Amino acid sequence: DTGVSQDPRHKITKRGQNVTFRCDPISEHNRLYWYRQTLGQGPEFLTYFQNEAQLEKSRLLSDRFSAERPKGSFSTLEIQRTEQGDSAMYLCASSLSVAGGKLETQYFGPGTRLLVL
Amino acid sequence: GEDVEQSLFLSVREGDSSVINCTYTDSSSTYLYWYKQEPGAGLQLLTYIFSNMDMKQDQRLTVLLNKKDKHLSLRIADTQTGDSAIYFCAENPGGSSASKIIFGSGTRLSIRP
Repeated sequence: DTGVSQDPRHKITKRGQNVTFRCDPISEHNRLYWYRQTLGQGPEFLTYFQNEAQLEKSRLLSDRFSAERPKGSFSTLEIQRTEQGDSAMYLCASSLSVAGGKLETQYFGPGTRLLVL
Repeated sequence: GEDVEQSLFLSVREGDSSVINCTYTDSSSTYLYWYKQEPGAGLQLLTYIFSNMDMKQDQRLTVLLNKKDKHLSLRIADTQTGDSAIYFCAENPGGSSASKIIFGSGTRLSIRP
């Protein structure tokens, strides 16, 4: 399977603990995105990388959240001191950025469902 | 601001057409999208329309865009049970160089026999 993969698929943690999620994008894709989706809502943009550079962060990304893409391939999203409000599905997507204003399709992974007790 | 609005639920009879409507706010969006999300499955790009078009047809799917009113619709002809899913309208604010996608809250489509 050459799609976007995420690990773990599910995570249950206690409030105050740290959690880390991993995303492996489609191999030739240079852009990688993180979104968060809560129940009954659409995905909300968190941040994105072009290669290893983090180019945009949403106001939703508090200082407890940090994302990295050290070698421009896989990415990790860490949440420190988790709160119950962090419970959500965390989605990763990747795309190949092309010049000329052409459609850049984002391909989504299956997500990591986080439950903070 | 960036906002995408769509109704939450739609129920149609199998074989009928489904029409899901959406309004968006950013007139600079170059592409507008429809994504499909099925239980336990990832978000899948269903179709899209370029902002200088007003209609796009792709097999059973028809997308209509009214740029003046910032209104987008998705019509699914001959709706089947396999079409049951949540459908998200989305835009990329800021034009073709934009990165993020702004999604609506999704319309849950259910099919009656």
